[in-house]
Amino acid sequence: GENVEQHPSTLSVQEGDSAVIKCTYSDSASNYFPWYKQELGKRPQLIIDIRSNVGEKKDQRIAVTLNKTAKHFSLHITETQPEDSAVYFCAASITGNQFYFGTGTSLTVIP
Amino acid sequence: EAGVTQFPSHSVIEKGQTVTLRCDPISGHDNLYWYRRVMGKEIKFLLHFVKESKQDESGMPNNRFLAERTGGTYSTLKVQPAELEDSGVYFCASSQGRGIYEQYFGPGTRLTVT
Repeated sequence: GENVEQHPSTLSVQEGDSAVIKCTYSDSASNYFPWYKQELGKRPQLIIDIRSNVGEKKDQRIAVTLNKTAKHFSLHITETQPEDSAVYFCAASITGNQFYFGTGTSLTVIP
Repeated sequence: EAGVTQFPSHSVIEKGQTVTLRCDPISGHDNLYWYRRVMGKEIKFLLHFVKESKQDESGMPNNRFLAERTGGTYSTLKVQPAELEDSGVYFCASSQGRGIYEQYFGPGTRLTVT
């Protein structure tokens, strides 16, 4: 089955700096890649997603890039703010049903 | 619109006991998923319902876990008898229709088996 690896497991950045989280996947049939943000004590929420026919997608301060050849995708957060502090999960899916998640990245934005 | 709800939020039980977790999906969502996150590890797929039918239960760890979705509305996940390794956060998610749609997650149930 699909295997998703996520790095780093923890990340600390100064407010205003950029943060990058990287994921790799193993199954070339995966075609949907969502990113979820889980704030402390809250539910995971989708923040951005990308499909395999797109190389990059941007939504305000967050962007995701996908390299199908290398089988990796990344989340980029620019101008980080304290409210960006959370655990971020990447995922890959073939059918849109079963999501294979990474182990999560705990991001801390230092004011 | 109400989100996915789960009950209870926390459960502490002893090894060998039984626990039943409940999930209420977003109204009208045919797809319902159960996931589990063991501390520090990935959120792992358990199973997928389409309405009341089990579409994919390949992630269920063993036969101590039983999921149901009677009537295609809410779902329950029963663990009987519970073992120490069953501890973790159990998430439910729902999505609409067929194909690739956003999965909306519930807040999770934190299960601790002592």
